[in-house]
Amino acid sequence: EVQLVESGGGFVEPGGSLRLSCVASGFTVSNAWMSWVRQAPGKGLEWVGRIKTKADGGTTDYAAPVKGRFTISRDDSKNNLYVQMNSLKTEDTAVYYCTVETGTTGTTQYWGQGTLVTVSS
Amino acid sequence: DIVMTQSPDSLAVSLGERATINCKSSQSVLYSSNNKDYLAWYQQKPGQPPKLLFYWASTRKSGVPDRFSGSGSGTDFTLTISSLQAEDVAVYYCQQYYGSTPTFGQGTKVEI
Repeated sequence: EVQLVESGGGFVEPGGSLRLSCVASGFTVSNAWMSWVRQAPGKGLEWVGRIKTKADGGTTDYAAPVKGRFTISRDDSKNNLYVQMNSLKTEDTAVYYCTVETGTTGTTQYWGQGTLVTVSS
Repeated sequence: DIVMTQSPDSLAVSLGERATINCKSSQSVLYSSNNKDYLAWYQQKPGQPPKLLFYWASTRKSGVPDRFSGSGSGTDFTLTISSLQAEDVAVYYCQQYYGSTPTFGQGTKVEI
């Protein structure tokens, strides 16, 4: 059974940094396209970015609002996914979900429960 | 980026009646080489992460009740709930994954 557990959320001031982690079980992160999706309080879903498998080049893609500020990485030895968030803005306040994109569906199939990031002064 | 626009933003439907949600993309999400529409539908209930209902526009994920159906191609898509049940109260999102950066519609809230 695929399970994703996010951690690392919290309160941070504008301009600060935070790193979110996602512990995966039931599959190997190195063999999956992993992504982060966020949801501001009371708002809709926003795709943040992804990291592809090594077989697909291990490259990353990012949404325009976070490009240059967020970095997605993974640790294959720990089966973890991360997102390093720098230069945080108030508009980055959201629940951040760790997700798995599958080849069968071509899109995000599995979701964690999310972790809340609050950026405020 | 491809912009996804859903309509309506919300709708109230009586139990047992039909609910229809529309989704329009700013450009075609039909990939000609495999004839697949890169369009998904998600259901999100309060306090829960989204749940995938359909992918490739009309392929129902295992376990999704058959009162749900997905249709459309190119730029225009529809999610239909043929007979609304109380447990279907949720926000529904369409998502395109044609481009390198997937995008979601703004969501449609379905109420009784």
